[in-house]
Amino acid sequence: QKEVEQNSGPLSVPEGAIASLNCTYSDRVSQSFFWYRQYSGKSPELIMSIYSNGDKEDGRFTAQLNKASQYVSLLIRDSQPSDSATYLCAVRDTGGFKTIFGAGTRLFVKA
Amino acid sequence: SAVISQKPSRDICQRGTSLTIQCQVDSQVTMMFWYRQQPGQSLTLIATANQGSEATYESGFVIDKFPISRPNLTFSTLTVSNMSPEDSSIYLCSVAGRGATNEKLFFGSGTQLSVL
Repeated sequence: QKEVEQNSGPLSVPEGAIASLNCTYSDRVSQSFFWYRQYSGKSPELIMSIYSNGDKEDGRFTAQLNKASQYVSLLIRDSQPSDSATYLCAVRDTGGFKTIFGAGTRLFVKA
Repeated sequence: SAVISQKPSRDICQRGTSLTIQCQVDSQVTMMFWYRQQPGQSLTLIATANQGSEATYESGFVIDKFPISRPNLTFSTLTVSNMSPEDSSIYLCSVAGRGATNEKLFFGSGTQLSVL
């Protein structure tokens, strides 16, 4: 059973701080990794994708990938109250076309 | 990206009845995915729907309980049959992006189902 593990949180950070969200995955040969944001009562929306080891930056968001450790992370700089949401780590299944999601980490950014 | 219309947005149903959820996409897509998100849980894939062939179901999900139709490249339905309170959940349809974004998923607005 291929798995994606996340700390469910909640993670609480003050406004302006860096929020760090972590994820591990079980399939060693996975190649495609994603972070989705889900506001309460809404559908998930893609915010970051990463395919190579290292860092990928997009605005205030940085995704980090370490395939040797089977570890993916998302950093949110200058956190804003509007960043308060559940962040889902997702991994594309190498055996087909499906995407496997972690349980999500709830983030609260306090004003 | 894709614009996905899903309906109904929510429903309250009686035990033993069935509900059909519709998903309409604004462009032709090869695969559509149906997910379930139980309260406080992550997304679990129910099945993958391809046009012109039977849906592929994930472990723990069967066609008799969750029949899926895919009559064309822009539309799909998921039926939740013989419902019980354990079926209370949010059901989401999704599609993959096109071209270079084909590994990224776009979601409909979801159907919140409550079974009494």
